[in-house]
Amino acid sequence: GQQVMQIPQYQHVQEGEDFTTYCNSSTTLSNIQWYKQRPGGHPVFLIQLVKSGEVKKQKRLTFQFGEAKKNSSLHITATQTTDVGTYFCAGDSGGGADGLTFGKGTHLIIQP
Amino acid sequence: NAGVTQTPKFQVLKTGQSMTLQCAQDMNHEYMSWYRQDPGMGLRLIHYSVGAGITDQGEVPNGYNVSRSTTEDFPLRLLSAAPSQTSVYFCASSYGYGSYEQYFGPGTRLTVT
Repeated sequence: GQQVMQIPQYQHVQEGEDFTTYCNSSTTLSNIQWYKQRPGGHPVFLIQLVKSGEVKKQKRLTFQFGEAKKNSSLHITATQTTDVGTYFCAGDSGGGADGLTFGKGTHLIIQP
Repeated sequence: NAGVTQTPKFQVLKTGQSMTLQCAQDMNHEYMSWYRQDPGMGLRLIHYSVGAGITDQGEVPNGYNVSRSTTEDFPLRLLSAAPSQTSVYFCASSYGYGSYEQYFGPGTRLTVT
């Protein structure tokens, strides 16, 4: 079945440093979604990428979808304490809700 | 709109007990799913439904049953609780039809002793 690998599992950064998490799928995806989960909270949708090579920005967050639609990344510029949490990618193989496979997430820990 | 609601927020069960985790959404979403989240394992799909009367198994369905009699409700039943089912359970819904953004409920933290 489809596998989605996400690295790193944990990332410690000083406040103000940049952060990147990477997501790789074993199969070609129809789209990829990114979610953020604050400690003790529930996952919250951030964005969906659909097109090959797509790049989308949300303020300090930049999301990329690879040309082969098998990998993606999330980059945060100048991290702030509000960025703390776990970032998940979720790959959609095209089968709808049943086709969404989540990566294990990257825990972002920020030291002031 | 309340979005996706789940009850209870916390539950402690003894091995062998059964219970139902409730999930409801008021967004008229066709797709609903149940996930469990364990440390280091991410979110794993238990069961899902693409509409009222239709359910199917996800990645880890053993020990759980679901039904979808209405669009709004999607309860998850634990048949005979085991310590391996200690986890945080999230219900999610999505509009479907090409837009699969998942809206998650606040979760139920279940401990089985």
